[in-house]
Amino acid sequence: AAGVIQSPRHLIKEKRETATLKCYPIPRHDTVYWYQQGPGQDPQFLISFYEKMQSDKGSIPDRFSAQQFSDYHSELNMSSLELGDSALYFCASSPMDRGYRNTIYFGEGSWLTVV
Amino acid sequence: SQQGEEDPQALSIQEGENATMNCSYKTSINNLQWYRQNSGRGLVHLILIRSNEREKHSGRLRVTLDTSKKSSSLLITASRAADTASYFCATVLTSGTYKYIFGTGTRLKVLA
Repeated sequence: AAGVIQSPRHLIKEKRETATLKCYPIPRHDTVYWYQQGPGQDPQFLISFYEKMQSDKGSIPDRFSAQQFSDYHSELNMSSLELGDSALYFCASSPMDRGYRNTIYFGEGSWLTVV
Repeated sequence: SQQGEEDPQALSIQEGENATMNCSYKTSINNLQWYRQNSGRGLVHLILIRSNEREKHSGRLRVTLDTSKKSSSLLITASRAADTASYFCATVLTSGTYKYIFGTGTRLKVLA
């Protein structure tokens, strides 16, 4: 079965640079979520999209932005990177019919290291 | 953690023993999901229990939900070394939100 695809899997950036992470949800899933997980931490909710519209916002820094495109893939853009942004970034998706009631499936994550 | 708290934070058991992990939350929820995460890997969905359900089983997993106590437990029976991982609960509120909140997780170590 198709899973959530994230790219790149690993990314190394310098401070103050910009990074873009991509997420391809499971086909026919209409809700996408982004999470950030620091070393030894629990996943922190950043933002979600339902039918290409932002649906919820969590602890996402103003330096970060995200969007969901017409083909339902999503991108997380991170600018002015800081050392503290080094983390594992997860994308997840859930199927149609009011996503919040359904199982959410996670990708393998994108490792971002800021040096 | 914003919503869920799990205990214990770390658990070490022998292979074949049962492991129980607990999750507590603060506000009314629509459903609660349990996930497993191997170090540095993605979150693997284990089981979803809805607010109107009290218990669910899946293989060696048993999840209970007590909405009056705002708590859930995950029982892994006859544990195996391959069960070594971190286990998280995630909750979503009853209001129209698309925001799942994760607990702090329990790090389970199963010794062979």
